[in-house]
Amino acid sequence: DAGVIQSPRHEVTEMGQEVTLRCKPISGHNSLFWYRQTMMRGLELLIYFNNNVPIDDSGMPEDRFSAKMPNASFSTLKIQPSEPRDSAVYFCASSRQEGYYEQYFGPGTRLTVT
Amino acid sequence: GIQVEQSPPDLILQEGANSTLRCNFSDSVNNLQWFHQNPWGQLINLFYIPSGTKQNGRLSATTVATERYSLLYISSSQTTDSGVYFCAVEPGDSNYQLIWGAGTKLIIKP
Repeated sequence: DAGVIQSPRHEVTEMGQEVTLRCKPISGHNSLFWYRQTMMRGLELLIYFNNNVPIDDSGMPEDRFSAKMPNASFSTLKIQPSEPRDSAVYFCASSRQEGYYEQYFGPGTRLTVT
Repeated sequence: GIQVEQSPPDLILQEGANSTLRCNFSDSVNNLQWFHQNPWGQLINLFYIPSGTKQNGRLSATTVATERYSLLYISSSQTTDSGVYFCAVEPGDSNYQLIWGAGTKLIIKP
């Protein structure tokens, strides 16, 4: 079975530009998570979807960040406008259902904002 | 909130050595996972182990939920075992949130 798929794997952009990160969860998983990893803060949960509905977006840093899940097989995380402090690795993860099932992570997108 | 502490923070070993990594947590949990983040940054699931013992090849893990700790054993270390090992727990009052330890950075020298 294919794992969680993320694209792009690397993104370099200039401050002020819009960035869109994409995720395809594992088929049959109905929970999806976006995380951000930095050296300073470690892994942070940004947003959690269950059955395509955002359940917890309290980790989204500010209004410049938005996430959507239009269907069970696709999600996007958008940053507009991007800032240098957004530079990080962004992971998408999925699990079969909320709680009690392990989360599987995608390969991540390394974002650099100059 | 729940605290997750991992030890040791760093570990350097020769190839072939055995190691034990520890994860302590401060409250009851629904779920505990061990991950390996390899030098390329990928997070790989090792174990889903809220309690009991599991083994997968050279790796095994034990969680004693009543005493609030988990151990990850790596036997006959290989250079490919290098990376950071994370413990992440789902608190008993949550049904999705993972709380992460700071990780143990393992370096296996040839």
